[in-house]
Amino acid sequence: DIVLTQSPDSLAVSLGERATINCKSSQSVFYRPNNQNFLAWYQQKPGQPPKRLIYWATTRASGVPDRFSGSGSGTDFTLTISSLQTEDVAVYYCQQHYSTLPITFGQGTRLEI
Amino acid sequence: EVQLVESGGGLVQPGGSLRLSCAVSGFTSSSFWMTWVRQPPGKGLEWVANINQDGSAKSYVDSVRGRFIISRDSADNSLYLQMNSLRAEDSAVYYCATGHWTFDFWGQGTLVTVSS
Repeated sequence: DIVLTQSPDSLAVSLGERATINCKSSQSVFYRPNNQNFLAWYQQKPGQPPKRLIYWATTRASGVPDRFSGSGSGTDFTLTISSLQTEDVAVYYCQQHYSTLPITFGQGTRLEI
Repeated sequence: EVQLVESGGGLVQPGGSLRLSCAVSGFTSSSFWMTWVRQPPGKGLEWVANINQDGSAKSYVDSVRGRFIISRDSADNSLYLQMNSLRAEDSAVYYCATGHWTFDFWGQGTLVTVSS
């Protein structure tokens, strides 16, 4: 199985400041035939289901504010929130689908203000 | 508006069975791969199983293979998860979601508690 390790497990960021969450994969999730990284990011607020923010490592999902951005390739990825808002308080998960048996998630990063 | 509504969760004894349902509205579910993801209380997300558009392809995480069966019914636009031989470690909120590789629409989840 591909193991995704997120860091940190939790972080506190001031309103308007930048938040950075890392995701490291136990093996590369870069698929050369389509030049894409098979990695996504989700946001989960308390009492709600997850919401997909980013796919293909860098593509924002429809309706996601542009303060959210994804970067990285191969085994190392980053989710950046450029200017933290109160509504961004949540747990964030990375997820890989390079190996689909099984699809795996990182352990989550709790973001607080 | 796309809506996924799970039902069928509850308290069950170890070794028992439950059948979860996911009612889909706002689109034709048979157009998409569908997936079950679970989340133990206070813990992270775990992919459980998925199924293709016509039900001919199904995949499971190792921990449930042979005990859980994913299925779908295009007539009533629904997704199902038959869970047998339940264990304490199966206790979780179970979400249905659209998608094969990443998951763009999710239900609110249904809680399954396996305990004596």
